[in-house]
Amino acid sequence: GNSVTQMEGPVTLSEEAFLTINCTYTATGYPSLFWYVQYPGEGLQLLLKATKADDKGSNKGFEATYRKETTSFHLEKGSVQVSDSAVYFCALSIRAGGTSYGKLTFGQGTILTVHP
Amino acid sequence: DTAVSQTPKYLVTQMGNDKSIKCEQNLGHDTMYWYKQDSKKFLKIMFSYNNKELIINETVPNRFSPKSPDKAHLNLHINSLELGDSAVYFCASSSLQGGTEAFFGQGTRLTVV
Repeated sequence: GNSVTQMEGPVTLSEEAFLTINCTYTATGYPSLFWYVQYPGEGLQLLLKATKADDKGSNKGFEATYRKETTSFHLEKGSVQVSDSAVYFCALSIRAGGTSYGKLTFGQGTILTVHP
Repeated sequence: DTAVSQTPKYLVTQMGNDKSIKCEQNLGHDTMYWYKQDSKKFLKIMFSYNNKELIINETVPNRFSPKSPDKAHLNLHINSLELGDSAVYFCASSSLQGGTEAFFGQGTRLTVV
């Protein structure tokens, strides 16, 4: 089956620190990979995505590279802000075909808190 | 302008009651989903409809019954609510044909007392 494993949280950083949240996956078929973010009291928003090996997704200073050889999609940001405090979810979806029908398999989420 | 909207945002009810959550999307997507987020923030799919047809039905108690009157709406009805049903329920939509990612609603926080 498909699964996603994220690094255990919570993660606490000072403003302007470097962020890495590790994500590895197992999948049957050809997955697309995503990072979603959930700000306090809100729904999930897509942060970035990558649909094939070696693709790099980027948005709002965050980046993640689809590494097929290590089955990883680690999230990085060079300088975090207080406003980045949220829960971050790594997820995969099997592309067209088969019976997955676009459903997302999520990691367990990583709580990030950034202090001034 | 809200792409995926759910109502209500908060729902507090007693054990044994029946309740419904509604979801609507205005993105023209062909597929809609219900996900459940537990108290530890873990998200798991429950159901999915594609063009009003049920295509994903994970291991969910049959007290939960989804209904899709048209491809822009997906409702979730829950019978005989139990304490363990307390969670945040998220609706989402995507276009399987267009290969778009999923867009999520704001969530409905259900508390069963």
